[in-house]
Amino acid sequence: GENVEQHPSTLSVQEGDSAVIKCTYSDSASNYFPWYKQELGKRPQLIIDIRSNVGEKKDQRIAVTLNKTAKHFSLHITETQPEDSAVYFCAALGGTGGYNKLIFGAGTRLAVHP
Amino acid sequence: NAGVTQTPKFQVLKTGQSMTLQCAQDMNHEYMSWYRQDPGMGLRLIHYSVGAGITDQGEVPNGYNVSRSTTEDFPLRLLSAAPSQTSVYFCASSAPGRYGYTFGSGTRLTVV
Repeated sequence: GENVEQHPSTLSVQEGDSAVIKCTYSDSASNYFPWYKQELGKRPQLIIDIRSNVGEKKDQRIAVTLNKTAKHFSLHITETQPEDSAVYFCAALGGTGGYNKLIFGAGTRLAVHP
Repeated sequence: NAGVTQTPKFQVLKTGQSMTLQCAQDMNHEYMSWYRQDPGMGLRLIHYSVGAGITDQGEVPNGYNVSRSTTEDFPLRLLSAAPSQTSVYFCASSAPGRYGYTFGSGTRLTVV
């Protein structure tokens, strides 16, 4: 089945710097790649997603890139702010194991220091 | 719309007890899933459903049962609770073709 690996597990940046989180997936049939943000004690919230027919997508300070050949995708956050501090999860959906199976990476804890 | 509603929010069980975690959504979503979240391990898929009467196993299904008798409800049953099932459980739903999953607020379960 699908396996999603996420790096790094923790990331510490200064306010205003950029942050990059990388994920790789194993199943070439996966076709949808969302990113979720989870604040302490809260539920995961979808922040951006990308489909396999698109190489890059941007929403204000957040962007996601996808390289289907290498089977990896990345989250880029520019001009980080303290409120960006949270755990971020990548995920992959649509692999051969089931078109509705959304498999998550282990998460990245991002800390943005003022 | 209430979105995805999970009950209870907190539960303590003794080893060997059984219980059902409730999940309901009012968005007419066909797709529903259950995840457990443990420190350092992300969200792991337990069971999922693509519609009423249709369920399938995820990554960690052992010790859990599900059924989907209606579009709105997707309960998760722990048959005989074990300390290893101590976790935070999230239910999520999505509409076909929209992909993005909406999560409930979670149930924090402790098995002693």
